[in-house]
This record gives sequence, structure tokens and C-alpha cells, in this order.
Amino acid sequence: DIQMTQSPSSLPASVGDRVTITCRASQTVGTYVNWYRQTPGRPPKLLIYATSNLQSGVPSRFSGSGSGTDFTLSISSLQPEDFATYYCQQSYSTPWTFGQGTKVEIK
Amino acid sequence: EVQMVDSGGGWVQPGRSLRLSCKNSGFTLGDYAVTWFRQATGKGLEWVGFIRSKDYGGTTEYGASVKGRFTISRDDSKNIAYLQMDSLKTEDTAVYYCTRGLGIPGDYFDYWGQGTVVTVSS
Repeated sequence: DIQMTQSPSSLPASVGDRVTITCRASQTVGTYVNWYRQTPGRPPKLLIYATSNLQSGVPSRFSGSGSGTDFTLSISSLQPEDFATYYCQQSYSTPWTFGQGTKVEIK
Repeated sequence: EVQMVDSGGGWVQPGRSLRLSCKNSGFTLGDYAVTWFRQATGKGLEWVGFIRSKDYGGTTEYGASVKGRFTISRDDSKNIAYLQMDSLKTEDTAVYYCTRGLGIPGDYFDYWGQGTVVTVSS
């Protein structure tokens, strides 16, 4: 199975900050990495698919990059609704697997 | 409006069975794979499995922790998919989500059900 490792696990930040979350795959996943945001009691929300494609309706402050084994999600200016947990996910080979999550918290 | 609605969760004793349902609206379910994920309280997301669309053979794949115990099926005429869970274990306790996807490399999940809670306990 492909392991996805996110860092950091916790990220204290303030509204307006630029934040970056990284995700490393245990083997190459091409560009088949997606990013989700989840708030408590809610299902995940797709932000970015295939490394860098912004899902329809998602604000442009979100962006993704990377290839192979190393990927990044960036938020250019953190908004109140962005305090949440973020997950990367690979769909290169089954089982589809997720990172352990990065919780963006209020500093 | 595109929606996925999952239902059927509840409390069940270990070793028993439960069937979850996933109903959609706003699109043709038959054009998509249906994928199930789960999330234990305070934990991360785990892929349970999927059933591909008929165009991709309608085949299924499952995660190792549920293979042989869980079965995904679909009835495209009714726009509904099912997750049959047999021989349930306490570690199957989680919120279960259904999503639409592709069931192929490059898959991604843009619409999720609200989640249905399954509790396996004696």
C-alpha cells in the first residue's frame, strides 16, 4: 500500500497568514493527489484534484503543486472557515490512501 | 442539485450484519463509480471500497480490512448503491460516507454523503 505522510500534524496560524502543508508518498503517485478540507461533523470537501486543479467553486486562495512523491497545498490568505483539518489522498493505485491529516488551528 | 445521501447506520452487535444505502440526485448514478469511505471518531479517513460503473465493468474492489466481509452493489435503475456489511467487528465502528467517483487511477471525490454512523458493540 502507498503511505501518505503529511506535515505538520498541527499548524497554528492566524487569519490572513499564508500556510503550506506538505504530503509525501512512500512511492511515486504521478500527479494523482487530491486535497480535502474537513470541519467537525461534516464530510470532507474536495479542494484540489490531480495535484493542482482547483475544484469548481473553491476559492483561488487554495493552490496545489508537486509530482512524484512530494506535494504541497498552499492557502494564500487564511480565512476563518479555513481552520479545519486537511487531508491529502492518492488515487494512483488501490487501496486509495489518505495522509493522517493536518489540523490548522487558531494561533 | 447534485447530492449523495447515505443512510442505514445504527447500533449492531459484533458478528451481525447491516446494510447501508446511498441514494443520489442531480446526476445519473450509472455514469459513476460509487465509493465508500469511513472515519472512526477522532481518526483519519479510510477507503472501504468501490463499485465501478457498468462502462468500466461494474467491478468491485475492497480494502484489506473489509475484504470478504463487506459487499458493494448497485441498482442504477433506482439510483441507489448499497454497502452490505457482514461479520461486523467492533473496529468497524465509524461514520460511513458514500461518494461518487471513477474507480480508476486519477479518481477524486467531489460529492459526499453527510455520513451515517455505524456502532458495533455488545
